Amino acid sequence: EVQLVESGGGLVQPGRSLKLSCAASGFTFSNYYMAWVRQAPKKGLEWVATISISGSRTYYPDSVKGRFTISRDNAKSSLYLQMNSLKSEDTATYYCARHKTTFFDYWGQGVMVTVSS
Amino acid sequence: DIQMTQSPSSMSVSLGDRVTITCRASQDIGNYLTWYQQKPEKSPKLMIYGATNLEDGVPSRFSGSRSGSDYSLTINSLESEDTGIYFCLQHKQYPLTFGSGTKLEIK
Repeated sequence: EVQLVESGGGLVQPGRSLKLSCAASGFTFSNYYMAWVRQAPKKGLEWVATISISGSRTYYPDSVKGRFTISRDNAKSSLYLQMNSLKSEDTATYYCARHKTTFFDYWGQGVMVTVSS
Repeated sequence: DIQMTQSPSSMSVSLGDRVTITCRASQDIGNYLTWYQQKPEKSPKLMIYGATNLEDGVPSRFSGSRSGSDYSLTINSLESEDTGIYFCLQHKQYPLTFGSGTKLEIK
């Protein structure tokens, strides 16, 4: 069974940093592109980042480019999201998701990030 | 960026009704269109991929179709378990973009 379990969320002040983790199991992690997708409270979904199998290629929307960094450790079957210079508009539930070709087939349960002073 | 315009934003329908939700793409995305269902406090669930392909385990009353730049999710004979929010996703090019969602409720 595919499982994606996020951790590392919490309350953080504007301008500070936070790092999210996603532990994957039930599949060969090193065979898949992975991604982060977020959802602000009572809002829609927003794709945040994607990383290639080796980690050599990463993709971001303009809203987080230069502030967020996606990375992975295939030996640990883990995905990460380093979030710097956080803003109030980054407040959201962050989902780890597995890519099936270019869409997402499995999602984690999500982790909440609140950016507030 | 490709904009996905989803309609309606909400709908209240009766059990057994036929439901259609639509996403319109601002640029050509071919069949790079996926539909998700989200229940309250849960993560999204894959329903339809490649615009028309039913994901394994999804009931056959769900179907996807395309007419030009309009993509539709149809539920034949709505059941109570079908309530939730439905989102479309275009994955033709980065940035990947979602529709704004359709909240489906039982009347």
